[in-house]
Amino acid sequence: KAGVTQTPRYLIKTRGQQVTLSCSPISGHRSVSWYQQTPGQGLQFLFEYFSETQRNKGNFPGRFSGRQFSNSRSEMNVSTLELGDSALYLCASSSLTSVSYNEQFFGPGTRLTVL
Amino acid sequence: GDSVTQMEGPVTLSEEAFLTINCTYTATGYPSLFWYVQYPGEGLQLLLKATKADDKGSNKGFEATYRKETTSFHLEKGSVQVSDSAVYFCALSDGRRSNYQLIWGAGTKLIIKP
Repeated sequence: KAGVTQTPRYLIKTRGQQVTLSCSPISGHRSVSWYQQTPGQGLQFLFEYFSETQRNKGNFPGRFSGRQFSNSRSEMNVSTLELGDSALYLCASSSLTSVSYNEQFFGPGTRLTVL
Repeated sequence: GDSVTQMEGPVTLSEEAFLTINCTYTATGYPSLFWYVQYPGEGLQLLLKATKADDKGSNKGFEATYRKETTSFHLEKGSVQVSDSAVYFCALSDGRRSNYQLIWGAGTKLIIKP
């Protein structure tokens, strides 16, 4: 079974631009979560989509948005980029076959650098 | 709300040393507990999990026991290798009570010197 894939792996943008990152979950997984990882703030939860609906949301400004398609693939968009948005963006998928816990499978991440 | 606290890093050990990375949690329900590992330049991988009290998760020589009485899930390994150098994250999931959202610790960087 193929793992979680993220594209692109690396991106360089300038302040004020916008960016779209893509995530393809493991086949059959309907939940996709996005995280931002920086050296200073650690791993921070952005949002989670389940069956095309945003189900959970972290504490990020409205410049960060996402969506999920009917095939469970997900995209996240960051508009009006700021220097502080430079980070590793991780996507994780889950099948949610257990009602008691959420085991997530991560992609390799997209490294975004904002100049 | 629910939370996870890990010991601060970096933790630096010599090869073949004994490893403990402390993790404690706060939860009002009955969470499942996880350890994830992130090797340099990669995403996170599930290392082990435990879904109920007194369960022991184990994988690749690592172990952690779900201790409800001390609300802890400490990660241990008897003899570490240079290849174990990575960042380790403790996390909990409380299923439907928290809408399946995972709660993460801050991560502990482990450095193993040959």
